[in-house]
Amino acid sequence: AQSVTQPDIHITVSEGASLELRCNYSYGATPYLFWYVQSPGQGLQLLLKYFSGDTLVQGIKGFEAEFKRSQSSFNLRKPSVHWSDAAEYFCAVGGSNDYKLSFGAGTTVTVRA
Amino acid sequence: NAGVTQTPKFQVLKTGQSMTLQCAQDMNHNSMYWYRQDPGMGLRLIYYSASEGTTDKGEVPNGYNVSRLNKREFSLRLESAAPSQTSVYFCASTWTSGSGTDTQYFGPGTRLTVL
Repeated sequence: AQSVTQPDIHITVSEGASLELRCNYSYGATPYLFWYVQSPGQGLQLLLKYFSGDTLVQGIKGFEAEFKRSQSSFNLRKPSVHWSDAAEYFCAVGGSNDYKLSFGAGTTVTVRA
Repeated sequence: NAGVTQTPKFQVLKTGQSMTLQCAQDMNHNSMYWYRQDPGMGLRLIYYSASEGTTDKGEVPNGYNVSRLNKREFSLRLESAAPSQTSVYFCASTWTSGSGTDTQYFGPGTRLTVL
């Protein structure tokens, strides 16, 4: 069965500092990996996705993620955080033989001035 | 191009009442999904429809029914609402092919409270 673990429930970071959100997945075949962001009271917006190829993926809003098959990880990073990055972030996994995505429980990011 | 739309945005029900949540997409996607979001639990799949005319159970289907009315519309029905169904409900859609699923696009959500 597929699953996603986001070990950090809540992260607080200073504006301008770097951010890294962890994601570990379990999937029996080639994984398709996604990061979504949810602002308060809003739906989910795709930040980036990985299907194949280059393991370092660039997304919107200056985010990037690195797929590491040996560690079953897909961590999200941003070099310099802006106050508008305060939101909840979800990692999700699906695959080449699957119509469904499994989501992690999410990581809430707070940005302090 | 409105994307994925959901109605209503907010709803309060009493225990035992029924209601239908509506979802429509205008992106010509073949697959549609219903999720519920609860604090600390992320999104959990209730039901999905891989293509028009098919529906399948997800992780938490008990207490819900769905109808894929046509390619655009996918509704979620609560026949007898319970307080445990208090949640935020999201509809999503995507294009799936024989090689798996792609990005799911989400609606704005319906916040449901059952008293």
